[in-house]
Formats: sequence, C-alpha cells, structure tokens
Amino acid sequence: TQLLEQSPQFLSIQEGENLTVYCNSSSVFSSLQWYRQEPGEGPVLLVTVVTGGEVKKLKRLTFQFGDARKDSSLHITAAQPGDTGLYLCAGPNNAGNMLTFGGGTRLMVKP
Amino acid sequence: GAGVSQSPRYKVAKRGQDVALRCDPISGHVSLFWYQQALGQGPEFLTYFQNEAQLDKSGLPSDRFFAERPEGSVSTLKIQRTQQEDSAVYLCASSLLGTGAYEQYFGPGTRLTVT
Repeated sequence: TQLLEQSPQFLSIQEGENLTVYCNSSSVFSSLQWYRQEPGEGPVLLVTVVTGGEVKKLKRLTFQFGDARKDSSLHITAAQPGDTGLYLCAGPNNAGNMLTFGGGTRLMVKP
Repeated sequence: GAGVSQSPRYKVAKRGQDVALRCDPISGHVSLFWYQQALGQGPEFLTYFQNEAQLDKSGLPSDRFFAERPEGSVSTLKIQRTQQEDSAVYLCASSLLGTGAYEQYFGPGTRLTVT
C-alpha cells in the first residue's frame, strides 16, 4: 500500500508570512497532485507534478517534486487569509485507477 | 453549472436506516470515483467506475456499502443498516480519461451523520 504523510497537520500563521508544507512517502509515485479544500466543498486541483525535480509555480505557490519522486513540497510566499484551507497531496496507485491522499495540512492565515 | 453535483448535501440517518447518495458527474467523463472523508482527514478511496463497469471496489468498508452506475453517468452509493462509524463526508469525483487517476474533479460531498 502506498502511503502519503503530510506535515505539519496544522499551521496557523499571520498574513504575510511564508510557509512550507511537506508530503512524504516511502514509495515512488508516477506523479503527485496538490489539492485545496475549503469547508463544505470538495477538493480542488491546484497542480500536478510529474517529473522528478520538477518545480511549478502558481502565483505565490511553489510546488516541487522530489528527485526520487517520493516526496513533494508546497511553499506559499506572503500568505493571505484567502489561502486558508485544507491542503492535500495525492498520488495514483500503480494501476492508475485511484488516488491515495495524504492526511492533509490545515492552514489558517490570520489577518 | 458544469461541475460534479451531489445530493443530498446533508443527510441525517438513524442507526439501522438505509441511505442513498447520488452523484452527477461532469457530462462525458468516463471515470467516476467515490471517496469517504472522515472529519479532519484526507479522502479515502471507496470504489471506481469506468463507464458503467465497476472496476475496483476494494475500498468499500463492508458489504453494507454498494455502488452502481447503470448507464455510465449518474452513480448512487447506497449504505444499508447505517452505523455510527459510517458518519463522514462522501465525495464523488469524475475524470475525463479512462485511466482515472488524473485530473479528478470533485463534487461538494454529502455529509452523512448517523445518530
């Protein structure tokens, strides 16, 4: 079974601060996805990283896929209250027919 | 809208009752997934359809859980004789491609509370 562990579980910061969220596994993934979920809503896909070492930027969000494709990170620069939410990483199983999700990082950005 | 819709959004059931949760995927999407999300946790896979075929049901927690997608579009997740541990948000997702693991679009979920 491929497991994804996210850290930290909870993060409360002030507006304007920077933060990094981690997603780690002992298994190799063909790709990893990052989602953000707000209360009462389903997860929304932010990005998919496919190549080991790949870096993708989405405005103030920077996503990195580890060289060995076992881990990923999400860095947010100058966090805003609108960034508040549950951040989830997910990867496909070997058959490619399901996603395994990490436990999530719950981020709160205070104004 | 053109997104994934789920109904009802909230369901309260007494222990022992049967419930049926509906998912309307994005039109034309081949793959459909059901996930269970406990409070404060990430979603956990329940089952997967490609068109009308249920290709993987390994995540269904017991034989009280049953899912169908008879015409390859709308899907229903049925839980018989609900138990308190079934309380969770049930998420449905659809994907355009038959491979299923990429670009999944999620519905808002149905929050099930079993009392």
